Amino acid sequence: KAGVTQTPRYLIKTRGQQVTLSCSPISGHRSVSWYQQTPGQGLQFLFEYFSETQRNKGNFPGRFSGRQFSNSRSEMNVSTLELGDSALYLCASRPADRGRDDEQYFGPGTRLTVT
Amino acid sequence: GNSVTQMEGPVTLSEEAFLTINCTYTATGYPSLFWYVQYPGEGLQLLLKATKADDKGSNKGFEATYRKETTSFHLEKGSVQVSDSAVYFCALSLRGSRLTFGEGTQLTVNP
Repeated sequence: KAGVTQTPRYLIKTRGQQVTLSCSPISGHRSVSWYQQTPGQGLQFLFEYFSETQRNKGNFPGRFSGRQFSNSRSEMNVSTLELGDSALYLCASRPADRGRDDEQYFGPGTRLTVT
Repeated sequence: GNSVTQMEGPVTLSEEAFLTINCTYTATGYPSLFWYVQYPGEGLQLLLKATKADDKGSNKGFEATYRKETTSFHLEKGSVQVSDSAVYFCALSLRGSRLTFGEGTQLTVNP
């Protein structure tokens, strides 16, 4: 099976702009989570979607939002970008199989740079 | 709240040396515990996991045992290779929900 794919891999944006990142989960996986990775804060959970519904949300401002489509693909959006939003954004999907439904499989990430 | 603490890095070893990376956790309930590895320029790869006390997760020569009494999940490998150089993250989740990660430990293995 193909792994989790994320597009684009790299992005450069200017403060105040908005950005949309895309994630395609592993085929058959219906849960998608997003994480932010920075040198200062490490890996932090943003949100999780399952069957087009947000099931869990981390402690991020409302500028960060997401959605999931009926084919399980997910997008996250960051509006009014700030310099501190520069990070690697990682998407992960997980299977529904009992005994493996706690395993998250990560994509390569989108490197966002805000200038 | 839930948290994971890893030993401070970076860790530098010679090839074939023994590796230990310490990880302790705090959680309400009974978490599943994981080790993930991140190679330069890549996302995270699941290395191993354990879901209950005394379980041992193992993969590619790496092992970790879920110790409830000491709330620990230390990663070990008997003989490291240059190709093991990467950042290692300890993590926990409760009922398959969000992952809570440790700070990460950079491992460099020299030939």
